[in-house]
Amino acid sequence: DIVLTQSPASLAVSLGQRATISCRASKSVSTSGYSYMHWYQQKPGQPPKLLIYLASNLESGVPARFSGSGSGTDFTLNIHPVEEEDAATYYCQHSRELLTFGSGTKLEIK
Amino acid sequence: QVTLKESGPGILQPSQTLSLTCSFSGFSLSTSGMGVGWIRQPSGKGLEWLAHIWWDDDKRYNPALKSRLTISKDTSSNQVFLKIASVDTADTATYYCARIGELGRWFAYWGQGTLVTVSA
Repeated sequence: DIVLTQSPASLAVSLGQRATISCRASKSVSTSGYSYMHWYQQKPGQPPKLLIYLASNLESGVPARFSGSGSGTDFTLNIHPVEEEDAATYYCQHSRELLTFGSGTKLEIK
Repeated sequence: QVTLKESGPGILQPSQTLSLTCSFSGFSLSTSGMGVGWIRQPSGKGLEWLAHIWWDDDKRYNPALKSRLTISKDTSSNQVFLKIASVDTADTATYYCARIGELGRWFAYWGQGTLVTVSA
């Protein structure tokens, strides 16, 4: 099974600055020109919301301040400039083989 | 408009079988490439994928729980079902169903979740 390690577990970023969240897979999730890594945002009491699919594709309706990058085993979610409403927990998920979620990163806005 | 809604017993006792239903609209599981999955989340913890079922009745399960899970569908009524056998307190969680596509297998649409508590 592919294990996803997210870091940091939590971070605090000042309004307007950049938040960077990392997700490392225990083996490559890239094949045939695609990277099977996706990112979600979850606020308390709500279901997760898809932000990024296939590593770098912005889901419709998601603000352009969210971006994803990476390939192979190392992936990054960037949020810039951070806004108050971005306070949430962020999860990565791979779909290279069976599905797994990362452990989550809680983002606080200072 | 795609919507999904989970329903379940709310509370059940250890050793019982948990039965969950996902009722959806805005898409059909008779459409090639379409699927529905189940994900759960204990309070204050992370997300755990459980299973998903495809339009052609192909099924995938989390290996750690596979012996206890059964996923099925009723295409005509737009419903997907999940049964978890022999529950214990560790199965207490909010259970979500979500639509998944065969192209990349991400969850684009989610239900609001149903809380299931296992308690004696």
